[in-house]
This record gives sequence, structure tokens and C-alpha cells, in this order.
Amino acid sequence: AQSVTQPDIHITVSEGASLELRCNYSYGATPYLFWYVQSPGQGLQLLLKYFSGDTLVQGIKGFEAEFKRSQSSFNLRKPSVHWSDAAEYFCAVGPSSNTGKLIFGQGTTLQVKP
Amino acid sequence: NAGVTQTPKFQVLKTGQSMTLQCAQDMNHNSMYWYRQDPGMGLRLIYYSASEGTTDKGEVPNGYNVSRLNKREFSLRLESAAPSQTSVYFCASSELTKGFSSPPDVFGPGTRLTVL
Repeated sequence: AQSVTQPDIHITVSEGASLELRCNYSYGATPYLFWYVQSPGQGLQLLLKYFSGDTLVQGIKGFEAEFKRSQSSFNLRKPSVHWSDAAEYFCAVGPSSNTGKLIFGQGTTLQVKP
Repeated sequence: NAGVTQTPKFQVLKTGQSMTLQCAQDMNHNSMYWYRQDPGMGLRLIYYSASEGTTDKGEVPNGYNVSRLNKREFSLRLESAAPSQTSVYFCASSELTKGFSSPPDVFGPGTRLTVL
């Protein structure tokens, strides 16, 4: 079955510290992978996406993610977290065909300590 | 340029009532989507429309209908609301890129629906 797992429901980091949010997927074909961020009371915003090629992808707001096929993972990283990064983060996987059928993980809530 | 707009922002219904959630985008995107978001479950696709005049079921279509009125507008209708449809509903859009759909990259602010 196709699924996305974000093992950490809630993470707290200090401002300025590095961040890694984990995402593992189960998908039969070559997946397209995405990370979204949702600020309180807002809709989702696409941070970055992986279709093919270089397995390290850069996104907006200083985020990056690395695709590791052998581990079925697509972890999100940021070298130095800012207070404004506090939000909920969603990993998603989709088919490489002409549809928008994304499967989302349950989300990870990031809290940033001053 | 307003992006994706949704109306209403909040709605309370009684079981059995009907309503239509409206969504419009002004980015000339081809694809539009309706998702619902429930605590601990992430987002689940209800229906999507790859282009004007086409609609397809997503993961959880039961109890819903959609209409792609034109390229800009994609509405979601609940014919007989049930408490299980209490949720936050998001509309999203994307453009075709290089022969395949981009993921939904612009989301509306959401409609918070409560069914009593």
C-alpha cells in the first residue's frame, strides 16, 4: 500500500539550531516527493519538490531535502532555524503520471524556542 | 492577484443540510483540487480536476460532488451533510508543467465546516 510516514508528531528546537524532519514513504513506482509547510490558520505552501536528478534539492526559505532511495526517505533539513519557521510540515508523495493524487503524511509540528 | 480564494471561511450545518463550497483561482492554472484536513490524518484528496471540463475522484469522494464551472472555478457540494464531514476543506491549484501535472502549489485559506 502507498503511504507516507512522518515519525515525529512534534519537534522542538532552539532558534539558531539545525533541523531535520523525517519522512519515510512506501510507494510501488518511482515517486515524486514534496514538502509543504502550513502556518497556523493558513493553507499549505510548497517548500520543495523532487522529481528526478540530483537527490539533494533546494527549496524556499533556506530548506533542503535529500532523497535516499535505499532508505525510502526524503528528510527535510535547515541549517539554522528561525522563530518564523514554527509551523506544521507535511511530506507528500505522488505518482509520476498526469494526476495530482498526492498522499500526505500526518504532519510534524515544529516549535521554536527563543 | 489573489491566488486561490475560498468562500465561506466558516460554516455550521445541521445533519442533512446541503451546501456548496466555492473556490476560484486567478493564476490561469489548469488543475484544481479539493482536500479535507482532519487532525492526525494529514490532507486527503476528495476530487480533482486536471483541466476544464474534467473531474476525477480522489481518495475520499463519498458524500461529495464537484463542478468545474470554468477554468477559474471549482466548487464542492455536500448534498446531505453528515457529522463525519466536519473538517477543514482546502482548495488548491497547479499548472501543467512539461507534460505532467505540477503538484498543487497554491492553496486557499480553507473553509472550516462543522456539521452538528
